[in-house]
Amino acid sequence: EIVMTQSPATLSVSPGERATLSCRASQSVGGNLAWYQQKPGQAPRLLIYGASIRATGIPARFSGSASGTEFTLTISILQSEDSAVYYCQQYNNWPRNSFGGGTKVEIK
Amino acid sequence: EVQLVESGGGLVQPGGSLRLSCAASGFTVSTNYLHWVRQAPGKGLEWVSVIYSGGSIYYADSVKGRFTISRDNSKNTVFLQMNSLRAEDTAVYYCARAMTAVPYFDFWGQGTLVTVSS
Repeated sequence: EIVMTQSPATLSVSPGERATLSCRASQSVGGNLAWYQQKPGQAPRLLIYGASIRATGIPARFSGSASGTEFTLTISILQSEDSAVYYCQQYNNWPRNSFGGGTKVEIK
Repeated sequence: EVQLVESGGGLVQPGGSLRLSCAASGFTVSTNYLHWVRQAPGKGLEWVSVIYSGGSIYYADSVKGRFTISRDNSKNTVFLQMNSLRAEDTAVYYCARAMTAVPYFDFWGQGTLVTVSS
């Protein structure tokens, strides 16, 4: 079973600043990684797939990158509406897939 | 416009059964890959099951033998029959679409809450 570990659990960032979220896989998942944003009371929304490909309609301030088993979601210029929980998901051995525990982004 | 609307959640006793529905619009379920993903209260996301466009079916180990996914192409709807329910099955159950066999999900329903408690 591939375990996804996200850090930090909570990130507090001021509007206009950069937010950097990390996700580590317990073994190689190649580029088979997605990021989702979930706001309270809402379903998750796909932000990134293939580790770095923005989904349709996602603003350019969201970007994804990978280095080995370490993945990063960067929000370049944080806006108030970006307050949410962010989850990474690996799908290397699809159809099986697994999610990280989430990072909560708070606006200072 | 693509939409997924779940229904059928509720309160059920341990050992009981429940059938969830996911009605799709704006696309055809039989040519897409429909998944169920759940989220326990205050917790993260857990993949549950998928039905492929070709009809292949897969389950997470935690629900195998207890849950059954199916679809009705005439109603453009996917179902999740849940039997032998346990307290740990308590969660919001989301229906989610993947356009290919690769399971990242571009559209999600709003979810339906299942509570297993005596």
